[in-house]
Amino acid sequence: QSELTQPPSASGTPGQRVTISCSGSSSNIGTNTVNWYQQLPGTAPNLLMYDNNQRPSGVPDRFSGSKSGTSASLAISGLQSEDEADYYCATWDASLKGWVFGGGTKLTVL
Amino acid sequence: EVQLVESGGGLVQPGGSLRLSCAASGVTFSDYWMDWVRQAPGKGPVWVSHINEDGNTTTYADSVKGRFAISRDNAKNTLYLQMNSLRAEDTAVYYCAMALTAWGQGTLVSVSS
Repeated sequence: QSELTQPPSASGTPGQRVTISCSGSSSNIGTNTVNWYQQLPGTAPNLLMYDNNQRPSGVPDRFSGSKSGTSASLAISGLQSEDEADYYCATWDASLKGWVFGGGTKLTVL
Repeated sequence: EVQLVESGGGLVQPGGSLRLSCAASGVTFSDYWMDWVRQAPGKGPVWVSHINEDGNTTTYADSVKGRFAISRDNAKNTLYLQMNSLRAEDTAVYYCAMALTAWGQGTLVSVSS
């Protein structure tokens, strides 16, 4: 069981906006910033968002992140077929003194 | 561009040992803390171990504490993970990650008799 809770699945049609949530606690999301990763089949996780809402270079501005209290969310607007992937949130947990990940959300583009 | 290349994975019997390596290039390795993260087939990533920039501070997930040891050689731009007393549940792809931003391609560790 993951320290961070994500919905196991999400879906949308091309052009739609979808949001993926990530719920934690005061020792992790409540205290530290959140990263988001996109993982395509057979590849390593790729950083999509850091410090809650900062995009690495090369990540389209269709992707946005936010955090409030002990929850964070990733929004994808103008959904495209290539966005179909697994998405994970992650943050440092002060109590565990280690990184914690969400269980992942499989995004399907219908 | 930063590049991380893991090696050392393979098939090992329960109770056996393996040493993983992660070679970094394209970046000043000693400027970054490093982590090992593993991912079992069909599961999400799970953090394994963390080491600070100079190697003086390390932390471990409870599941590997006392069995795994993380280390680094900044002169060789290389991160290591010594894995002892391996169990079937340690079977996973092991990734090294630089500040959890850049990740290697992973190396598969299979523990089975």
